[in-house]
Amino acid sequence: DAKTTQPNSMESNEEEPVHLPCNHSTISGTDYIHWYRQLPSQGPEYVIHGLTSNVNNRMASLAIAEDRKSSTLILHRATLRDAAVYYCILRDVTGGGADGLTFGKGTHLIIQP
Amino acid sequence: GAVVSQHPSRVICKSGTSVKIECRSLDFQATTMFWYRQFPKQSLMLMATSNEGSKATYEQGVEKDKFLINHASLTLSTLTVTSAHPEDSSFYICSARKPGTGGVTEAFFGQGTRLTVV
Repeated sequence: DAKTTQPNSMESNEEEPVHLPCNHSTISGTDYIHWYRQLPSQGPEYVIHGLTSNVNNRMASLAIAEDRKSSTLILHRATLRDAAVYYCILRDVTGGGADGLTFGKGTHLIIQP
Repeated sequence: GAVVSQHPSRVICKSGTSVKIECRSLDFQATTMFWYRQFPKQSLMLMATSNEGSKATYEQGVEKDKFLINHASLTLSTLTVTSAHPEDSSFYICSARKPGTGGVTEAFFGQGTRLTVV
């Protein structure tokens, strides 16, 4: 899988928006951009994914650059429960889901009350 | 949404004994499940891919004779850590995908099993 680069940590205040960046300059045309997060002492959970267009769901928004070499996960109004490690992962759609995910180090998001 | 359940959530065992961890997909049939390991302050590392009715595929550096994987049904995969040693202490996490969904949709993860070998 192509590599992604994320900041090691970010800090934000409660009830403010959070923008988590991810660089993926070697992304291929068949790579989807997935975001997962891992709360302390839990397994990861899916957040959102996209290919080219920006995506919104109940948890977050995903903004994808026009050249697809970077993306930003947006939490519109962070709460203390959003404190987690956020992983940006590229998934080749041609793989058919037969292989596991390659996790980088992710971004440790700290939310201040 | 789909749920993947792991059991036990934490286990302490003596060095030299074996420990079995179960991973169940509760509301879908999973032909493929994945096992990950996560050491403190580190990211998840894929250990093996568990295939229903066939042998598991192990990642490089993972001892297949030490980490036995059985995927006897479409809803259950087990990971057995044999002759556990303190260096096997880690957070073990399983994952499953709904069949037929390809590489686009989400993976579902269990809550993880904290193994401590004393």
